[in-house]
Amino acid sequence: AQRVTQPEKLLSVFKGAPVELKCNYSYSGSPELFWYVQYSRQRLQLLLRHISRESIKGFTADLNKGETSFHLKKPFAQEEDSAMYYCALIGSLSFNAGGTSYGKLTFGQGTILTVHP
Amino acid sequence: KAGVTQTPRYLIKTRGQQVTLSCSPISGHRSVSWYQQTPGQGLQFLFEYFSETQRNKGNFPGRFSGRQFSNSRSEMNVSTLELGDSALYLCASSLSPDATNEKLFFGSGTQLSVL
Repeated sequence: AQRVTQPEKLLSVFKGAPVELKCNYSYSGSPELFWYVQYSRQRLQLLLRHISRESIKGFTADLNKGETSFHLKKPFAQEEDSAMYYCALIGSLSFNAGGTSYGKLTFGQGTILTVHP
Repeated sequence: KAGVTQTPRYLIKTRGQQVTLSCSPISGHRSVSWYQQTPGQGLQFLFEYFSETQRNKGNFPGRFSGRQFSNSRSEMNVSTLELGDSALYLCASSLSPDATNEKLFFGSGTQLSVL
């Protein structure tokens, strides 16, 4: 079974402070991990994904297989970063012989980030 | 380009009734997946369709079913509604079922309330 845990339901920081949203996963194989974000009155959207090694809106996330973590970090939080953040996983068992997954994302419970002015 | 469209936006039903929700993916997208979002359970995968075939299914009872049409539009049906089915139902589309490389685009959801 695969599981994603986001231990913090709520996280508050001040503008300009560093922020780290924690994500731990449980999966016996090699997972692919994502962060999704939902801003107020907007749709859920992809923020970044592990395989792209990208930095979006100043956010980065590093996969630590030893600690089974994929924490989301930003050195200087902005007020516009306030949103609900979801960590998500696709397990390698979803891949068929051709290496294509079937879109079965397992989400964490989400963390509401509030950045105060 | 229009985004993922879900109808209706809100729905109120009573226990025992059935309901059908609709999802129109982004033009050209052939993969559609459904998720249930509740405050207690968060986002949970329901099922995923590609080219009219269900490719994957989550851990939901058989009362939850879905289908995809040749134009990639998808419907999900919930029969014999229970109070616990009250949730926001989200639909997401992508070009292909390779979710590790394809970005999922979500709709605004259908808010179902079961009384």
